[in-house]
Amino acid sequence: DTGVSQNPRHKITKRGQNVTFRCDPISEHNRLYWYRQTLGQGPEFLTYFQNEAQLEKSRLLSDRFSAERPKGSFSTLEIQRTEQGDSAMYLCASSPPGTMNTEAFFGQGTRLTVV
Amino acid sequence: GQNIDQPTEMTATEGAIVQINCTYQTSGFNGLFWYQQHAGEAPTFLSYNVLDGLEEKGRFSSFLSRSKGYSYLLLKELQMKDSASYLCAATFPDKLIFGTGTRLQVFP
Repeated sequence: DTGVSQNPRHKITKRGQNVTFRCDPISEHNRLYWYRQTLGQGPEFLTYFQNEAQLEKSRLLSDRFSAERPKGSFSTLEIQRTEQGDSAMYLCASSPPGTMNTEAFFGQGTRLTVV
Repeated sequence: GQNIDQPTEMTATEGAIVQINCTYQTSGFNGLFWYQQHAGEAPTFLSYNVLDGLEEKGRFSSFLSRSKGYSYLLLKELQMKDSASYLCAATFPDKLIFGTGTRLQVFP
């Protein structure tokens, strides 16, 4: 297993465009998280899936943001009508079944720049 | 809320010991992780505490007091490569929440 994979690694887009990021978690990991991280800050929780169910969504996530995990495997995060404030690193993490007290493994992230 | 607080920056000298503190709101709290993150890289797991006490793992140790909502990460025999951000993260029933991270600079 190669770990959590995120694509693309970098994305530059014009303000107002839509972007979609993909996350492939580690096989057999049923929990999947999306975080956003800006320079000098810790990862901010965006949303959480257990299998295909989206169990939690941060209030930080405006209605321009949507995430899916249709088959309980890979996940996509879409941002519509991007704004300059959306520029950040978007991190995906996954963890195996069991209690919440299991390590989350992170992907390398997708760095979004909105110009 | 689930506020997690840690200092923004710390500095230390190579070979020294440094303690990074973290406090969190105890309501719904489950366990406490520490992650290391080098600039431009993904966070990597360092330690996990669910019971009170000290967990030692080589040069790194982590402590938890559930009643006080307090944890610390202790780094011994600091090396230059330990310069990084150290993220405290707490698990609540349905999510993993991070603090803002402590940026540690190790000087020769």
